[in-house]
Amino acid sequence: GAVVSQHPSRVICKSGTSVKIECRSLDFQATTMFWYRQFPKQSLMLMATSNEGSKATYEQGVEKDKFLINHASLTLSTLTVTSAHPEDSSFYICSASAPRGANTGELFFGEGSRLTVL
Amino acid sequence: AQSVAQPEDQVNVAEGNPLTVKCTYSVSGNPYLFWYVQYPNRGLQFLLKYITGDNLVKGSYGFEAEFNKSQTSFHLKKPSALVSDSALYFCAVRFLRGFQKLVFGTGTRLLVSP
Repeated sequence: GAVVSQHPSRVICKSGTSVKIECRSLDFQATTMFWYRQFPKQSLMLMATSNEGSKATYEQGVEKDKFLINHASLTLSTLTVTSAHPEDSSFYICSASAPRGANTGELFFGEGSRLTVL
Repeated sequence: AQSVAQPEDQVNVAEGNPLTVKCTYSVSGNPYLFWYVQYPNRGLQFLLKYITGDNLVKGSYGFEAEFNKSQTSFHLKKPSALVSDSALYFCAVRFLRGFQKLVFGTGTRLLVSP
């Protein structure tokens, strides 16, 4: 149990276009999901906390209008990179807290989505 | 502020030898500590966690970690390394302000040679 799926795993787009990445909890309901960004050979940077039915909470320095997050249901959160530029190229990873981990902070991660902006 | 530090960018070990990946923490109050592993172009997989109780925590794939309060450390260990253990390892601490938010260390790359 506690499987998180991300789609697409890889995406290449042209500069100026928008890209949507989906994060689904397959066998549990996730009221909270987290979006991370990982630069090459670096740690994970938390971008935002996605709460079902409400606005996402963004970390300091993350552009809300650039990285749109929607958490419309208990099993789906989406990250849309708007007007993408080459510097947005990165590995984006989502995570969710399953009920059995809710009290201790254990998170379950998707497989990640590698975005390349040409 | 909650934080973890992983002092080694890379750890090299021969297959069959014991391995240690270091992590120190700085938290207010009792720490909730985690280890995750990441294989190339993949998400993170949970290895183990310390919440309370025994200082030696056993996790997946034969890994264990020892919580040491006096040294504020939570080193990851395995008695006998496998080549397949080669991956990127992250230590993390639960961020108290955000109930389930984790703060990750910078990661340590483990290379196990045959």
